[in-house]
Amino acid sequence: EVQLVESGGGLVQPGGSLRLSCAASGLTVSSNYISWVRQAPGKGLEWVSVIYIDGSTYYADSMKGRFTISRDNSKNTVYLQMNSLRAEDTAVYYCARGFPAGRWGQGTLVTVSS
Amino acid sequence: EIVLTQSPGTLSLSPGERATLSCRASESVSSNYLAWYQQKPGQAPRILIYGASGRASGIPDRFSGSGSGTDFTLTISRLEPEDFAVYYCQQYASSPWTFGQGTKVEIK
Repeated sequence: EVQLVESGGGLVQPGGSLRLSCAASGLTVSSNYISWVRQAPGKGLEWVSVIYIDGSTYYADSMKGRFTISRDNSKNTVYLQMNSLRAEDTAVYYCARGFPAGRWGQGTLVTVSS
Repeated sequence: EIVLTQSPGTLSLSPGERATLSCRASESVSSNYLAWYQQKPGQAPRILIYGASGRASGIPDRFSGSGSGTDFTLTISRLEPEDFAVYYCQQYASSPWTFGQGTKVEIK
């Protein structure tokens, strides 16, 4: 069964960093498009980033230069390194597989607050 | 960046009625790379439609997608109680992939 499990969320101070993980089972991350999508409390979906099968990476404009998506094929895991975090980055972060995103994890909550 | 505008913001309907949701793009979505998702409170989104009109696996045939270029529509032919939720469109034709702001379908 295909499964994506996010982890690494938590409380971080403004300006801090956090690395989210998306561990995959039942699929090979290197053979799939894996994206990150976030949802602030009570708000809509916001696309964050994607890593293509060929390793190309793309970001939403507001995350460029602060967020980095990567993958570790040996661990079958995709990461989202988030730096210079702001209060407005507070959200549930989902990873999802496919083009478009056909299978989603359950999300991990990131709270940026002092 | 392709901006997607969904309308209406909220749709108040009764079970059994037909729902028509609109998604308009600021520029043409190439290859009709337009998807629709359903999200219920506390749950991750679920894909309904891909490629503007392709129904995802396991999705009932009361859900249908249509449109091309800049204008797209999601139609729910007869609303079931479990269909009351928020619906999002997304374009994945060009980076950054973008979502519409969502349409809430609520019980009248």
